[in-house]
Amino acid sequence: DAGITQSPRHKVTETGTPVTLRCHQTENHRYMYWYRQDPGHGLRLIHYSYGVKDTDKGEVSDGYSVSRSKTEDFLLTLESATSSQTSVYFCAIRRQSFNTEAFFGQGTRLTVV
Amino acid sequence: QKEVEQNSGPLSVPEGAIASLNCTYSDRGSQSFFWYRQYSGKSPELIMSIYSNGDKEDGRFTAQLNKASQYVSLLIRDSQPSDSATYLCAVYNNDMRFGAGTRLTVKP
Repeated sequence: DAGITQSPRHKVTETGTPVTLRCHQTENHRYMYWYRQDPGHGLRLIHYSYGVKDTDKGEVSDGYSVSRSKTEDFLLTLESATSSQTSVYFCAIRRQSFNTEAFFGQGTRLTVV
Repeated sequence: QKEVEQNSGPLSVPEGAIASLNCTYSDRGSQSFFWYRQYSGKSPELIMSIYSNGDKEDGRFTAQLNKASQYVSLLIRDSQPSDSATYLCAVYNNDMRFGAGTRLTVKP
């Protein structure tokens, strides 16, 4: 257990509404990531953070924004949810060391109707 | 071209056999390589990491890396039904990219 908590675990929302997913870590890791997982696509990187207020885009960042105002929290916001954003979202952390393994939270299943 | 490619499977092996999972990657600057196992409805869990060319063994698992060929593989010896899962290959260079995964079924 890498001390990662995602909330909510499940959410159903309507098209066009904003949605925020939260990733909370308890071990003061520098690097945090948001991925989405869809059948046939595996895990695709949305955004990542390498420190407070330091974020960068991944391969599928359109329609998403992130914020990291504290080391322990990394928020993912869908500005205006669309059905194509129905997915399972995983947060991951990477420890600040030579070993660059990523450890994952439990995931959030988001359904946009 | 996808950055990390895996055969989606499904790969089916009998119990006790060797399962061989393969992965290729496109970024020659990649530094670190990982195998994750993901059970249905669960989050990925790390099972192997490898950083230099050659083989790395951990119990029934062996990871193999060939940077010249941009190829990573995972061998699972004495496969068990509990090994049935999707195996994800991950490659790190500034960020972590994953393949689509290979679904493995081990039949009793």
